[in-house]
Amino acid sequence: EPEVTQTPSHQVTQMGQEVILRCVPISNHLYFYWYRQILGQKVEFLVSFYNNEISEKSEIFDDQFSVERPDGSNFTLKIRSTKLEDSAMYFCASTQTGLSSTDTQYFGPGTRLTVL
Amino acid sequence: GNSVTQMEGPVTLSEEAFLTINCTYTATGYPSLFWYVQYPGEGLQLLLKATKADDKGSNKGFEATYRKETTSFHLEKGSVQVSDSAVYFCALSPNDYKLSFGAGTTVTVRA
Repeated sequence: EPEVTQTPSHQVTQMGQEVILRCVPISNHLYFYWYRQILGQKVEFLVSFYNNEISEKSEIFDDQFSVERPDGSNFTLKIRSTKLEDSAMYFCASTQTGLSSTDTQYFGPGTRLTVL
Repeated sequence: GNSVTQMEGPVTLSEEAFLTINCTYTATGYPSLFWYVQYPGEGLQLLLKATKADDKGSNKGFEATYRKETTSFHLEKGSVQVSDSAVYFCALSPNDYKLSFGAGTTVTVRA
């Protein structure tokens, strides 16, 4: 069964450093998403991406965050200057069409980001 | 705004016990409702979904019915197994592609 993959599984970084989290969505999917879960809190939507541009972003997704699809397979989330409060599990997801909420979002296993 | 409230865990059960995880929601319009499960070390997997009132989603012995009158989508399983140990997330999507999740409920099933 096709799956979404994410690398690395765990990233440790110093405050102020840039990090790039990588995702490989399912190959025929067109819509891509990032969510995050701070320890003990809810999974929160960050951003959706379609046709090489952001479709929607949450209040969390400020100027420190950016997303990119640098080639035909990868989808990345960059945090320019990490803060302690960016420590969380980051999930990537993809959907085939995204045309309705009934389309299933397939999630990756997550990257645990720890900012020291 | 849209939000999901689910039963806090952790929940610990014996094998073959009955499991219920409560989930209620607040949303404008008529959202689709989902249960996702996360097994240890894995990503979020869709367990079941319902897209309109009175729909029942079911999968792997789990069921949940979309109750518009009580704005609920409680997850049930009649006889749990050790392999059902996981974190369960209730979620909704009000037709704008993104999901709003509950906090997750950790379920541990003992042999």
